Amino acid sequence: KAGVTQTPRYLIKTRGQQVTLSCSPISGHRSVSWYQQTPGQGLQFLFEYFSETQRNKGNFPGRFSGRQFSNSRSEMNVSTLELGDSALYLCASRLTSGRFDEQFFGPGTRLTVL
Amino acid sequence: QQPVQSPQAVILREGEDAVINCSSSKALYSVHWYRQKHGEAPVFLMILLKGGEQKGHEKISASFNEKKQQSSLYLTASQLSYSGTYFCGTESKTSGSRLTFGEGTQLTVNP
Repeated sequence: KAGVTQTPRYLIKTRGQQVTLSCSPISGHRSVSWYQQTPGQGLQFLFEYFSETQRNKGNFPGRFSGRQFSNSRSEMNVSTLELGDSALYLCASRLTSGRFDEQFFGPGTRLTVL
Repeated sequence: QQPVQSPQAVILREGEDAVINCSSSKALYSVHWYRQKHGEAPVFLMILLKGGEQKGHEKISASFNEKKQQSSLYLTASQLSYSGTYFCGTESKTSGSRLTFGEGTQLTVNP
């Protein structure tokens, strides 16, 4: 079974631009969560989507948004990029949102904002 | 509020044992453990649920003390492949299904 895939793997943007990251979950998984990982802040939860609905949201500004499509693929958008948005963005898929379901992480998208 | 992991870092020789702890100030429903190697994605190790259920890799063992809201990950007879950063992620009553991760414990296993 193929794992979680994320595209692109690396991205360089400049301040003020916007970016869209994509995540394809494991086949059959309906829950997708997004995390931001930085050396200083660790793994920070952005949001979770389940069956095209946002089920949970972290403490990030409104510049960070996401959506999920009917095939469970998810996209994350960051508008008006800031230097502090440079990070590894990880997507994780889960079979459902059940507490006994493990999350499988994708390889991440490394975003650099100049 | 994120869980607190201890120790922050540990260095072992191959074959030695280690314990990594994860403590939360919130009442937890579950604790998830992951290992991340440099430049790679976190890999699932184990889930421990309130009530005693657990699921994970056979060679990994962990415990969940519901009274103390604390989980411990036990790494026995460590191998070089155990090196990496270990994260615990917690789910509480108020967090829904979101995971709040600790800052990680860096484990280095030397020959």
